[in-house]
Amino acid sequence: AQRVTQPEKLLSVFKGAPVELKCNYSYSGSPELFWYVQYSRQRLQLLLRHISRESIKGFTADLNKGETSFHLKKPFAQEEDSAMYYCALSGRGYQKVTFGTGTKLQVIP
Amino acid sequence: GAVVSQHPSWVICKSGTSVKIECRSLDFQATTMFWYRQFPKQSLMLMATSNEGSKATYEQGVEKDKFLINHASLTLSTLTVTSAHPEDSSFYICSARADRTVSDEQYFGPGTRLTVT
Repeated sequence: AQRVTQPEKLLSVFKGAPVELKCNYSYSGSPELFWYVQYSRQRLQLLLRHISRESIKGFTADLNKGETSFHLKKPFAQEEDSAMYYCALSGRGYQKVTFGTGTKLQVIP
Repeated sequence: GAVVSQHPSWVICKSGTSVKIECRSLDFQATTMFWYRQFPKQSLMLMATSNEGSKATYEQGVEKDKFLINHASLTLSTLTVTSAHPEDSSFYICSARADRTVSDEQYFGPGTRLTVT
């Protein structure tokens, strides 16, 4: 079974402070990991995926297979980063995507 | 970017009636569409995966006779909640993907709020 755990429901940080949204997964195979973001009153959208190894809006995430983690990081939080963030997992070649419960990021001005 | 629409955005119906929700990919052909359900302050729960022209694959615990999914074309999938009950009240979200490979991005619709009275 595949499972995604986001231990924090709410994370509050001050503007300019570093951000780390935690994500741990369980999957018996080679997973594909994603981070999705949902801004207030907007639809869910892909933020980044591990296979792309890209940085989007200053966010990065590294897949750590030893720790089965895919934490989302940003060195300096901005007010516009306030949103709901979902970590998601899928197996290679398999269509099903499993979402975590989400973490609400609140950036305090 | 690719856009997915849902209609209606919200609907109120009486218990025992059926409700149809449409999911459309506006500027791309979606070989695969997904239907999710989201309870307040909870994550998205995948209900079913539908591929154009074939029967939907339902997740464990989801009643296929209650939640009818039709993916008749590459741009349209519908979810019909049959004989709706108050416990079916929820936020239903669809997503669409252009290719069968999982690494292709899923584009999400804005969701449909269903309230059953």
